[in-house]
Amino acid sequence: QKEVEQNSGPLSVPEGAIASLNCTYSDRVSQSFFWYRQYSGKSPELIMSIYSNGDKEDGRFTAQLNKASQYVSLLIRDSQPSDSATYLCAVMGDSNYQLIWGAGTKLIIKP
Amino acid sequence: DVKVTQSSRYLVKRTGEKVFLECVQDMDHENMFWYRQDPGLGLRLIYFSYDVKMKEKGDIPEGYSVSREKKERFSLILESASTNQTSMYLCASSLPAVWYGYTFGSGTRLTVV
Repeated sequence: QKEVEQNSGPLSVPEGAIASLNCTYSDRVSQSFFWYRQYSGKSPELIMSIYSNGDKEDGRFTAQLNKASQYVSLLIRDSQPSDSATYLCAVMGDSNYQLIWGAGTKLIIKP
Repeated sequence: DVKVTQSSRYLVKRTGEKVFLECVQDMDHENMFWYRQDPGLGLRLIYFSYDVKMKEKGDIPEGYSVSREKKERFSLILESASTNQTSMYLCASSLPAVWYGYTFGSGTRLTVV
């Protein structure tokens, strides 16, 4: 059974600081990794995808992938109260059309 | 604006009723998915479909069935609703390769009493 693990949180971060969210996965051959954001009462939305080892930056967001250690992380710089949400990590499964989901980390940005 | 539309935002049904949840997408996506989301358990896949009339069981298909007669529409059916099926149900669609990401509908919160 392939698994994706996340700390459920809540992770509390002061406004303006860097929020760091982590995710580990069990399948060493996984190739594609995704971060989704879910606001309370809303549906998930894709914010980042990463396929290669290293960092990928998009605005205030940086995804980091380390396949040897089987973890992927999301950094949010200059955190804003509007970043408060649950962040879901997802990994591509055996087929290339199915994702395996972590349970999510709840992030709270305190003004 | 591309969309996945779920027919109901909130539903209340009685135990034993047959329940239909409808999902329509306007993006011409091949893949469609039904998930349920419960606190602490994350997203659990019920069924998915990669083509019209094709369906595959996910992780928790018991008590559910699906129908995909047209590319844009994917229906989830609770044959005989039970209280343990009270949950948030999310429909999603994607292109054949998921690295483009899933687009989710706004969800249906189903309560079975």
